Amino acid sequence: KAGVTQTPRYLIKTRGQQVTLSCSPISGHRSVSWYQQTPGQGLQFLFEYFSETQRNKGNFPGRFSGRQFSNSRSEMNVSTLELGDSALYLCASSPTKLEGNTEAFFGQGTRLTVV
Amino acid sequence: AQSVTQLDSQVPVFEEAPVELRCNYSSSVSVYLFWYVQYPNQGLQLLLKYLSGSTLVESINGFEAEFNKSQTSFHLRKPSVHISDTAEYFCAVSVDSSYKLIFGSGTRLLVRP
Repeated sequence: KAGVTQTPRYLIKTRGQQVTLSCSPISGHRSVSWYQQTPGQGLQFLFEYFSETQRNKGNFPGRFSGRQFSNSRSEMNVSTLELGDSALYLCASSPTKLEGNTEAFFGQGTRLTVV
Repeated sequence: AQSVTQLDSQVPVFEEAPVELRCNYSSSVSVYLFWYVQYPNQGLQLLLKYLSGSTLVESINGFEAEFNKSQTSFHLRKPSVHISDTAEYFCAVSVDSSYKLIFGSGTRLLVRP
């Protein structure tokens, strides 16, 4: 089975621009979550989607948004980029909840640099 | 609110020595606990998990962790480390079967020859 695929792996953007990151979950997984990893703040939860609906949201400004398509693929968008948005963005997919199993499988991440 | 504390930011150890990476969590409800490992420029890989049942969980590469509810801890141990275990280790908790993971700040394990 193919793992979680994130594209692109690396991205350089200018302040004020917007960016879209893509995530293809493991086949059969319907839950997709996004995390931001920075040296200062560590790993922080952005949001989680299940069957095209956002179920959980972290404490990030409205510039951060996401969506999920009917095939479970997900995108996240960051508008009006700031220098502080430079980070590794990780996507994780999880199998349908069964007896409380919430194991998450992570992709390799997209390294976003804002200049 | 739930939180996870990893008490050591870096743990240096010699090859073949034992190691313990500490993790404490705070939560008033039932939790699920995880350890993830991250190698440079990589995503996170699940090392082991506690969902229910036996409080001692093991991974295939020699790591183990014990869930201690009274001490709200989930420390990671390995009796003999290898150079290849050098990486960053993250403890995480999810609450009430939520898919949201709350991570600790990470512990960098540095194995020296």
